[in-house]
Parts: sequence; C-alpha cells; structure tokens
Amino acid sequence: QSALTQPPSASGTPGQRVTFSCSGSNSNIGSNPVSWYQQLPGAAPKLLIFGNNQRPSGVPDRFSGSKSDTSASLAISGLQSEDEADYYCAAWDGSLNSYVFGSGTKVTVL
Amino acid sequence: QVHLVQSGVEVKKPGSSVKVSCKASEYTFRNYYIHWVRQAPGQGLEYMGIINPAGGTNYAQNFQGRVTVTRDTSTSTVFMELRSLRSDDTAVYYCAREMTPTQYFDSWSQGTLVTVSS
Repeated sequence: QSALTQPPSASGTPGQRVTFSCSGSNSNIGSNPVSWYQQLPGAAPKLLIFGNNQRPSGVPDRFSGSKSDTSASLAISGLQSEDEADYYCAAWDGSLNSYVFGSGTKVTVL
Repeated sequence: QVHLVQSGVEVKKPGSSVKVSCKASEYTFRNYYIHWVRQAPGQGLEYMGIINPAGGTNYAQNFQGRVTVTRDTSTSTVFMELRSLRSDDTAVYYCAREMTPTQYFDSWSQGTLVTVSS
C-alpha cells in the first residue's frame, strides 16, 4: 500500500486538459517538496516536475504541478497521444525516514 | 546523456541473493546521492534505499535487514544486494540519482530485471 494516494486512471481527448491528484500527509507532502515522474510503456521513469511546480529543461510547458497542504496535483493541458503513460508522485517522508511514491495514475488519450 | 548504467538480467532461486550494479560517471558518483527503486510487474514504484557521496546508507523499513547498498570508488559503481529472495522480489530494479540534497531524482538508469523462480 503506497503512502501517497493517486487515482488509478485519468483520460481525455487530444487537446483537452487532464488533472489528477496525489494525496499524502503532514509527514510527506505537507512538509516536503513533491516531484512527478512520467513512465512511458516499457521505459524507465523520467523526471517531469520537481519542487512542486518546476519543470526540468526539455519538459513541455503543457505539464504543470501544484501543491496545497497535504495534496499535490499534476495537470496536462493540450493532451497529446504521446502523453499516454503512467505518472507517479513522490516526496520525502520524515516519519518513515524514506522517500515514498504514489500508487500511480495511468493516463489514456481517447 | 546517460548518467547511470546498470548490469544485466538476473535469474535467481528463492532463498538466494542478487547483487545489481549501477555504474556512474565520476562526477555523478562524487556529487549525487544514488537511490534504488524497484517495480514489480504491472505494479508501481517502491523505494528501497540510498547511498550518499560519503558512503552513508539508509534503507526503507520494508527492506531493512535484507538489503545492502555499497560502492566501489575506484570504478564509480554502486551495488545493491538483496538477500533471501522470494518470488515477490521479481521486479525491475532501478538506480536513480539525486543532486545533493534536492529531493528529486533527475536521472534514472535503464533498470535491471531480476526474476526469482524455482
């Protein structure tokens, strides 16, 4: 059972905006920055968002992150077929003294 | 740009051990934390542990007593050994790096599939 809770799936048509959440607690999201990772089928995870809302160089600005209290969200605007992937949130957990990941959200482009 | 390269596929018997390597560039080895994360087939990511540039380690509670992360400074290689393997340890094992201390993994290796089967 993951320490961070994500919806198992999200979907949208090309061009739509899709948003999904990552829910945690005071010991992780509530007190530490959140990062997001994109995992394309058969590939290793790739950093998408760090520091709650910062995009690494090369990540399209269609991807955006936010955080409020003990929850975070990832939004994909202008959804494209290549965005079909699994998305994971992560944060340091001060109580567990360990990083924790979300359960993952599978994004489908209809 | 490839920062981390792992060793190849492993097939192990239940009860045995596996040691996976993760070779880094010298710069990465000296300046980054190296983490280990695994992913069972069809499942999500599970955090295992970390080794820092000074050689200190920390392990997730689920793996304490069964995992050891070490390093070889002469080859800039980090190793993850998992003991007393069970069938549910079948997974892809990844190493990932974190610039100290930024709290995110900016580069991941290609992963190593470890299959545990009798």
